[in-house]
Amino acid sequence: DVKVTQSSRYLVKRTGEKVFLECVQDMDHENMFWYRQDPGLGLRLIYFSYDVKMKEKGDIPEGYSVSREKKERFSLILESASTNQTSMYLCASSFGGRPGYTFGSGTRLTVV
Amino acid sequence: DQQVKQNSPSLSVQEGRISILNCDYTNSMFDYFLWYKKYPAEGPTFLISISSIKDKNEDGRFTVFLNKSAKHLSLHIVPSQPGDSAVYFCAASLNSGYSTLTFGKGTMLLVSP
Repeated sequence: DVKVTQSSRYLVKRTGEKVFLECVQDMDHENMFWYRQDPGLGLRLIYFSYDVKMKEKGDIPEGYSVSREKKERFSLILESASTNQTSMYLCASSFGGRPGYTFGSGTRLTVV
Repeated sequence: DQQVKQNSPSLSVQEGRISILNCDYTNSMFDYFLWYKKYPAEGPTFLISISSIKDKNEDGRFTVFLNKSAKHLSLHIVPSQPGDSAVYFCAASLNSGYSTLTFGKGTMLLVSP
């Protein structure tokens, strides 16, 4: 069964910490994405990547960075976590040129 | 500016009846549309899609209708079941090889027995 795996389901971090959210896919997909989901705001795109070592800003990149050193792994980094980054973070992947995504199960991050 | 709009935050339907979820878009360059279903504490799962060259696509109990002139699509679920209770997201894509999906804010569907 093909999968997008996010390393943690729940995380609690302190304000100011550097936070790493990991995502791994086993489908040999070229494209990978990070979204956050908040009540009343839907899914908003943070960063995406179409290839190894390549990254593009989404709609809300401020306060985040990403790393893609290998095709199967896409990491989201919160440089200095803040309470307004408390959210559900969703990783997704897709084949190049095809619009459908496969999502991971999500990471519920709470920043205190 | 929100390019994909789901104006109904929630919808309640009785089991066995039809559920109709609506979605409007503003960008006329969108030409591929998808619906995702999301349960709490899980990632969204793909449900059904439609290309702009079609006006209807059907998959079992789920049918998506597209009205390009009105920039409107709808998802029909017939008959609705309690297990259909979830948040439904409409998403749209530009026809480029490397296009991201733009999502609506979602509609929470509650199907009561």
